[in-house]
Amino acid sequence: QVQLQESGPGLVKPSETLSLTCTVSGGSISSYYWSWIRQPPGKGLEWIGYIYYSGSTNYNPSLKSRVTISVDTSKNQFSLKLSSVTAADTAVYYCARMGSITIFGVVNPGGWFDPWGQGTLVTVSS
Amino acid sequence: QSVLTQPPSASGTPGQRVTISCSGSSSNIGSNYVYWYQQLPGTAPKLLIYRNNQRPSGVPDRFSGSKSGTSASLAISGLRSEDEADYYCAAWDDSLSGPLFGGGTKLTVL
Repeated sequence: QVQLQESGPGLVKPSETLSLTCTVSGGSISSYYWSWIRQPPGKGLEWIGYIYYSGSTNYNPSLKSRVTISVDTSKNQFSLKLSSVTAADTAVYYCARMGSITIFGVVNPGGWFDPWGQGTLVTVSS
Repeated sequence: QSVLTQPPSASGTPGQRVTISCSGSSSNIGSNYVYWYQQLPGTAPKLLIYRNNQRPSGVPDRFSGSKSGTSASLAISGLRSEDEADYYCAAWDDSLSGPLFGGGTKLTVL
């Protein structure tokens, strides 16, 4: 079965760029949408953005100016970069596979996530 | 803040039936499927209900979902101590062009 694993620094300084990678194992990254979601300590879930294996992306408007998601199909990985971070970006960051819906032969992202990675806590602090 | 509104907390005793509501709008729940996630303490969320009322393999039939108009509900019957968790609803939002989560409901089994 498909498994996802986040990796990257657990501590980032304010104003710097947060960088995380999600490694997909047990299946191919191709033909799917992949997403990043975050959860501040003690708070709810926030969708950050998604990427199709072909490289097309869509980001949450609230973060769009600071987010870049990329994919490396040769490594079965996709990555997140969030620039100009502040303490408000402190959260557990999850990667997840998005469901998809095919409409008239076009594969569109669905609204669900399964499976999820275990999550990684990123703290923004000097 | 979340556009999908959930009660912050819910509770019940073992064996009881509990429902958790999720209220949205025409751009999300009103025109798209609803999904539910269960997040046990210290773990990643897990898909519990998809496409309003479908259960993934392995999810007990004690869990059920429903949708009417711009609202949805998750029902848990025969409540068990291991059901104590945070529950999140989610739906695609046409205005956002992306998925939207509810604020989450903390379920306590008394």
